[in-house]
Amino acid sequence: SYVLTQPPSVSVAPGQTARITCGGNNMGSKSVHWYLRKPGQAPVLVVYDDSDRPSGIPERFSGSNSGNTATLTISRVEAGDEADYYCQVWESSSDYVFGTGTKVTVL
Amino acid sequence: QLQLQESGPGLVKPSETLSLTCTVSGGSISSSNYCWGWIRQPPGKALEWIGSISYRGSTYYNPSLKSRVTISVDTSKNQFSLNLSSVTAADTAVYYCGRHKRGGATKYWGQGTLVTVSS
Repeated sequence: SYVLTQPPSVSVAPGQTARITCGGNNMGSKSVHWYLRKPGQAPVLVVYDDSDRPSGIPERFSGSNSGNTATLTISRVEAGDEADYYCQVWESSSDYVFGTGTKVTVL
Repeated sequence: QLQLQESGPGLVKPSETLSLTCTVSGGSISSSNYCWGWIRQPPGKALEWIGSISYRGSTYYNPSLKSRVTISVDTSKNQFSLNLSSVTAADTAVYYCGRHKRGGATKYWGQGTLVTVSS
């Protein structure tokens, strides 16, 4: 089965940039979606199809995907960005797969 | 604005079948090109896709759960349902329903419902 690997945690100071990676075989050939989930709330889509943002998501959230790694970048981090972040792809043999998740802590 | 709402028992006994329903409002479940899916998150673990059903009724299941999962749709009620059989404590999770295009992201989510498997 297809596996997506994320770092368990990322810590960042307010105003700085957080980068969350998502590694998988031949990721650059797949469309990657990113979600954040805050405690007690449903997941929220923040980036889809590698780098597109749904309406209402700040431009501070951006995505890229190349080779075996996709990256979600959060610029000018705010306290409200503290959440768990998950990548997701659709893969022909496994269908939908989620990453292992990254907890973002704002220092 | 599309809204989804999960409903069903919050407690299920081991070996029994977990049954949940997702009611869709603000849009038709028969809309072309969309799939309706179930995702769960066990306590302290990552999100896990369970399966989806297309607007045409085609089903797609997580290979690791396929033998125990059935997803169906009731267009007359604008609902779709999840049945997960032979549950164990490992099936304890918050269960979410959502809408996506085949291969696409899930933009719309229900609020989630906690299901605990315990005797």
